Amino acid sequence: SAVISQKPSRDICQRGTSLTIQCQVDSQVTMMFWYRQQPGQSLTLIATANQGSEATYESGFVIDKFPISRPNLTFSTLTVSNMSPEDSSIYLCSVVPASSQAYGYTFGSGTRLTVV
Amino acid sequence: GENVEQHPSTLSVQEGDSAVIKCTYSDSASNYFPWYKQELGKRPQLIIDIRSNVGEKKDQRIAVTLNKTAKHFSLHITETQPEDSAVYFCAASRDYGGATNKLIFGTGTLLAVQP
Repeated sequence: SAVISQKPSRDICQRGTSLTIQCQVDSQVTMMFWYRQQPGQSLTLIATANQGSEATYESGFVIDKFPISRPNLTFSTLTVSNMSPEDSSIYLCSVVPASSQAYGYTFGSGTRLTVV
Repeated sequence: GENVEQHPSTLSVQEGDSAVIKCTYSDSASNYFPWYKQELGKRPQLIIDIRSNVGEKKDQRIAVTLNKTAKHFSLHITETQPEDSAVYFCAASRDYGGATNKLIFGTGTLLAVQP
């Protein structure tokens, strides 16, 4: 399966600031997804990062708050903007390998964000 | 919109017993159903998956069954061991590998295997 490097692994940020999270994949992937996992909760999809076009956002998530970049088939960033304590969560990227025979969707190690 | 329900939310079993976790999905176009195991502080790890053209899949102590008519799928773990203790998530998506293949996750099941 694809190997994903996600950075930073954790951060403590002041409210009102922004944080950019990066995901680098060791192979080209067609789809990259960004999820949020609040403490003790399930994974909620924020958006699908499309290479060469704007990201597709899920209900309740907007581009101004969570801008996403996808400059190529191996890299994506998610920015959490104008942060508030409610944004404290774990953010994870996920990929689907380009080969249809590959083994499922793989997750990055996550970014644990605390907003104070 | 798409929804995946998962039950139970917590499950405690004795070592050696079986554990069953059940999920129901709402999108009849879903055709890919993975299960993830998440240990505390770690990323979700895929443990088994099934596509809609099969009804059952087994991998050692783990099996998944799918009933497309009822829109149900289940995870079965036999001969449970303490290291099976974790949170398990089911998920569903349509069109694996295509343009509409986002995963929708269930709410999770905390499995505790008592030694």
